[in-house]
Amino acid sequence: AQSVTQLDSQVPVFEEAPVELRCNYSSSVSVYLFWYVQYPNQGLQLLLKYLSGSTLVESINGFEAEFNKSQTSFHLRKPSVHISDTAEYFCAVRRTSGTYKYIFGTGTRLKVLA
Amino acid sequence: DVKVTQSSRYLVKRTGEKVFLECVQDMDHENMFWYRQDPGLGLRLIYFSYDVKMKEKGDIPEGYSVSREKKERFSLILESASTNQTSMYLCATNPPGQQAYEQYFGPGTRLTVT
Repeated sequence: AQSVTQLDSQVPVFEEAPVELRCNYSSSVSVYLFWYVQYPNQGLQLLLKYLSGSTLVESINGFEAEFNKSQTSFHLRKPSVHISDTAEYFCAVRRTSGTYKYIFGTGTRLKVLA
Repeated sequence: DVKVTQSSRYLVKRTGEKVFLECVQDMDHENMFWYRQDPGLGLRLIYFSYDVKMKEKGDIPEGYSVSREKKERFSLILESASTNQTSMYLCATNPPGQQAYEQYFGPGTRLTVT
């Protein structure tokens, strides 16, 4: 079975400061890794994903995440946040074969302060 | 763009009522999912369907059933609503094959059971 842990339920940060949202996972089989973002009153949308290859993946709005197999982590980072980044962020995993089920973390609420 | 629509954004029902939540997608995706989202618990899978009339239980199916008579429509049914089913319900789809890694979410239905 797979599990995802997001240790920080809320992260307040000032505008233009860097941020890191932590995600650790547990799985005995290989997995795909995802970060989804949920803006207020909206559904989730994919922010970035790791399928294979380069362990550093980037999104179009400046976020990046690094897959670390030895530490079973997939932390999300941004060097300088904006007010518009205020949202809830979910880390998720899915086995690379055998099922379409996704396992989501409990979410981290990022609040960017002016 | 993939469009996933849910029949209601907000719904208020009484304890014991039968409740139908509808989800429609316009991209001919085979896989459809129902989640509930609760603060501090993240997204939990209720049911998913990988084809018409095919369904599989997720992690928390108790008190729910589903129906998939047509490929584009996946319904979640609360046979006898209870207050502990007050939650945000999210529908998601993903395409088959090589692009099966991304889920597309609807805007959600916030259900209150009084």
